[in-house]
Amino acid sequence: DMKVTQMPRYLIKRMGENVLLECGQDMSHETMYWYRQDPGLGLQLIYISYDVDSNSEGDIPKGYRVSRKKREHFSLILDSAKTNQTSVYFCASSLSGGAGEQYFGPGTRLTVL
Amino acid sequence: TQTVSQSDAHVTVFEGDSVELRCNYSYGGSIYLSWYIQHHGHGLQFLLKYYSGNPVVQGVNGFEAEFSKSDSSFHLRKASVHWSDSAVYFCAVSATNYNVLYFGSGTKLTVEP
Repeated sequence: DMKVTQMPRYLIKRMGENVLLECGQDMSHETMYWYRQDPGLGLQLIYISYDVDSNSEGDIPKGYRVSRKKREHFSLILDSAKTNQTSVYFCASSLSGGAGEQYFGPGTRLTVL
Repeated sequence: TQTVSQSDAHVTVFEGDSVELRCNYSYGGSIYLSWYIQHHGHGLQFLLKYYSGNPVVQGVNGFEAEFSKSDSSFHLRKASVHWSDSAVYFCAVSATNYNVLYFGSGTKLTVEP
């Protein structure tokens, strides 16, 4: 069963705390993504990973970093979270060619107080 | 830079009606165009995509989309909607040599009984 999983699904943190969002996929996809979704803005790309230890910044990387040590896992890290990072975060994966088809996880709703 | 415009933030129809959700894009090169659906509280799911050939592409659950190069459009249609089609629909564009998807801001479709 092709699946992208995200943990945790809901998270509340205080400003200045560190945040770790985890993503896994069971399709052996080379490429993985982190997006954030805010009302009225669609999805914005934070980082893209082309394979293990091959990561590139997306459109809004400031305040975030990522780690990909295994093909099936991709982590998003917020060092010292800020209130404006309150959002819903989605992980996705695709084959290396992409072809406009990505598989999305269920999302993590992060609230930074 | 690719841009995607979805002019209607909200569309409301009755069950059994036909619906068209509009998408216009701006990009000069070779691209993939795709549509995704997001039910409340869930991640995005791929509906259909176009790259070349027949400008009308069929997707899941009776959805189809038509590409028009002259209008720079890729509108999504369904002949007879069901209440379960209520969701947010996102149009996306990606360059064929690049994995990144650029999303529109989404159209919320509400199907009234």
